[in-house]
Amino acid sequence: DIVMTQSPDALAVSLGERATIHCKSSQSVVYSSTNANYLAWYQQKPGQPPRPLIYWASTRESGVPDRFSGSGSGTDFTLTISSLQPEDVAVYYCQQSYSIPWTFGQGTRVEIK
Amino acid sequence: QVQLLQSGSGLKRPGTSVKVSCKASGYIFSMYAMSWVRQAPGQGLEWMGWINTMTENPTYAQAFTGRFVFSLDASVTTAYLHISNLKPEDTAMYFCARGNDKGEYDYWGQGALVTVSS
Repeated sequence: DIVMTQSPDALAVSLGERATIHCKSSQSVVYSSTNANYLAWYQQKPGQPPRPLIYWASTRESGVPDRFSGSGSGTDFTLTISSLQPEDVAVYYCQQSYSIPWTFGQGTRVEIK
Repeated sequence: QVQLLQSGSGLKRPGTSVKVSCKASGYIFSMYAMSWVRQAPGQGLEWMGWINTMTENPTYAQAFTGRFVFSLDASVTTAYLHISNLKPEDTAMYFCARGNDKGEYDYWGQGALVTVSS
């Protein structure tokens, strides 16, 4: 199984400042035939299901604010919130869909400092 | 609009079983796989597996073989998760989620909370 490891586990950032979350996979999640990284990011607020933010490592889902961006390739990925807003307080998960089982990172909790 | 509406939440006694439903609407049911994801209280997301909505073939994560069964009824565009011989450690929120060709879950059910306690 591919193990997904996020860092840090929790992050406190001032409003308007940048939040950066890292996700590392135990093996590459890029399909060589398409050069696509099968890595997605989700946001989960208390009492809600996860909301998809990013797919293919860097493509924003429709309706996701452009302060959210994803980057990386192979085994190392980053989710950046460029200017933290109050509504961004949540837990963020990365997930690989390169191979079964589709595994999630353990989550990173983002709070306001 | 696409919706996944779940039912089946409740308090269950150890040793009994539960069936969680996931009613899909707003899209062609057979064109997208359906997955199940577990979230224990205060914990992260755990991929349970998926079911091919065209062939009805299920695939289970290793931790979910034996007591967990995925099924579906395409005539009512509903996927099911059946858990038998419930244990207290099965207490969790169970989500259904639609998987797309980009490898992401683009729509999620609201979750079904199953609590196992005597």
